[in-house]
Amino acid sequence: SQQGEEDPQALSIQEGENATMNCSYKTSINNLQWYRQNSGRGLVHLILIRSNEREKHSGRLRVTLDTSKKSSSLLITASRAADTASYFCATSQGGNNRLAFGKGNQVVVIP
Amino acid sequence: NAGVTQTPKFQVLKTGQSMTLQCAQDMNHEYMSWYRQDPGMGLRLIHYSVGAGITDQGEVPNGYNVSRSTTEDFPLRLLSAAPSQTSVYFCASRPAGTKQETQYFGPGTRLLVL
Repeated sequence: SQQGEEDPQALSIQEGENATMNCSYKTSINNLQWYRQNSGRGLVHLILIRSNEREKHSGRLRVTLDTSKKSSSLLITASRAADTASYFCATSQGGNNRLAFGKGNQVVVIP
Repeated sequence: NAGVTQTPKFQVLKTGQSMTLQCAQDMNHEYMSWYRQDPGMGLRLIHYSVGAGITDQGEVPNGYNVSRSTTEDFPLRLLSAAPSQTSVYFCASRPAGTKQETQYFGPGTRLLVL
């Protein structure tokens, strides 16, 4: 099964800065999703972008999708200490929409 | 709504013991899945179900059994626990259909097999 692969895997930034994470995948997809996981908690869905979309916004989040390069990026603008978490991309393919997760990016926002 | 609930939160087993991880959702979601999360590995799909009475294997099904007798419940059974099954287990659910594709995750069960 395909898996997303995030890059970089660990990011430390100052509050107010922007954080960018990338994800690559290997095969065709239905959609790509980003999830956040706070330490010791379950995953929370952030944003979904479909294979026919190129960019999507949700609050301080901006996600892009380049299907020709099989890659996506997640941008968090004006970061806050509360954004400290791990961020995972997940790709959906096939009729039952099984999700394949990447290994995650750990983001630390320093107040 | 309570969303997706999982019990227990923590469990310690000895090698060879069996146990069942419980998962329930009150959102009437057709799709349910079990994942395990290991350090540096992301989440890997163990088993999933697209409705009551229907289950299928995911990426890492060996050593685990599932059943889906009701829409609400999707228990995961470890038949004979092994140290390699030490992990954090997450249950997730979502509605069927292509317009409701985001998954809702439970808080996880942390399992240690000695």
